[in-house]
Amino acid sequence: NAGVTQTPKFRVLKTGQSMTLLCAQDMNHEYMYWYRQDPGMGLRLIHYSVGEGTTAKGEVPDGYNVSRLKKQNFLLGLESAAPSQTSVYFCASSADRTDTQYFGPGTRLTVL
Amino acid sequence: RKEVEQDPGPFNVPEGATVAFNCTYSNSASQSFFWYRQDCRKEPKLLMSVYSSGNEDGRFTAQLNRASQYISLLIRDSKLSDSATYLCVVNDPRAGAGSYQLTFGKGTKLSVIP
Repeated sequence: NAGVTQTPKFRVLKTGQSMTLLCAQDMNHEYMYWYRQDPGMGLRLIHYSVGEGTTAKGEVPDGYNVSRLKKQNFLLGLESAAPSQTSVYFCASSADRTDTQYFGPGTRLTVL
Repeated sequence: RKEVEQDPGPFNVPEGATVAFNCTYSNSASQSFFWYRQDCRKEPKLLMSVYSSGNEDGRFTAQLNRASQYISLLIRDSKLSDSATYLCVVNDPRAGAGSYQLTFGKGTKLSVIP
């Protein structure tokens, strides 16, 4: 039982490049989330999904897109990376909207 | 508006000491409360939920004070392995059905010193 996994673990991009972060969970959770964590800012929600085929904006959605084509996967896309998107990105999932959230190990992204 | 506030610390305590953290929340209608632990460069993990009557898990005790809108975490007999950042998490009942619910505090850093 792997829980929540994220791919890749590290990535360096140049300004303007695009990339997709993959999150996968094997707990059959309905809810999935993408956060970013910056020093002194805490965890901020980017986008979330309440089920397969659904997505919604969180606190800081600008510059990101998401898709949830399969229940177990939640993709985060950066179409044109900017240095302000340098951060650690965490994916999480939960069975219910107020339930414990289980986090993946994170992706460290640097945009030069 | 800061919905969940915590003292960032750091709290530097010797092994064996008792340490307590508080967290305040702004929405009196919040109903679910948690403490998460985050080790350096790792993901947050649930430490314990916080129940209205207070609850204990080994050396850890969580309390909820609804009247004053704060949550506390008490760690007894601190171990070196307790060194981490502790995140206070509160649900947002303003969100409707199917909406995101949890708000994370920025965390309190604890360092347990030999």
